[in-house]
Amino acid sequence: GQNIDQPTEMTATEGAIVQINCTYQTSGFNGLFWYQQHAGEAPTFLSYNVLDGLEEKGRFSSFLSRSKGYSYLLLKELQMKDSASYLCAVRDGDYKLSFGAGTTVTVRA
Amino acid sequence: ETGVTQTPRHLVMGMTNKKSLKCEQHLGHNAMYWYKQSAKKPLELMFVYNFKEQTENNSVPSRFSPECPNSSHLFLHLHTLQPEDSALYLCASSQDEGEVYNEQFFGPGTRLTVL
Repeated sequence: GQNIDQPTEMTATEGAIVQINCTYQTSGFNGLFWYQQHAGEAPTFLSYNVLDGLEEKGRFSSFLSRSKGYSYLLLKELQMKDSASYLCAVRDGDYKLSFGAGTTVTVRA
Repeated sequence: ETGVTQTPRHLVMGMTNKKSLKCEQHLGHNAMYWYKQSAKKPLELMFVYNFKEQTENNSVPSRFSPECPNSSHLFLHLHTLQPEDSALYLCASSQDEGEVYNEQFFGPGTRLTVL
């Protein structure tokens, strides 16, 4: 199977920056997704990277290095509503999507 | 609202019961998915349907039986479940299973408890 690793938990202060790392080992690569999931709710799409580099979307940015099998999601100007689980998912060479276990981010006042 | 609805949102059942989970998508998508989400574990893909045809069965026990009558509806029939099957069951849809950029839209899930 595929191997996708991300930290279990992270805590940060309101207004701060948090970087969630994701490393992966897959058979082939067809893109990496980040999803946000609030407790008791559906995961919602945040970003997609298929080429190396940084994609910026407002307060959220996602970075990919295919040669290193590495991505990060950067959350800036943290708000209380950003407290959620962040899921890294990788599409392999057969277009199958595999998920990491998720990183629970807690934002403190 | 993601355009994917699931019912019921919560379900408690005994090991001898038979129940069904329902998923409906209003996005005009052609692919639908069932996932199992257990605490602190990655989302586990269970089944995939593309244009109403099952394209993936990820070694799921036969006590879980999917049904896809059309591209908008997906069911998961449950019978003789075990307590370890207690989890959040998520449905998702996407435009097409095989496209490279293929964002999946998730429903809110059914929280299943097997007693």
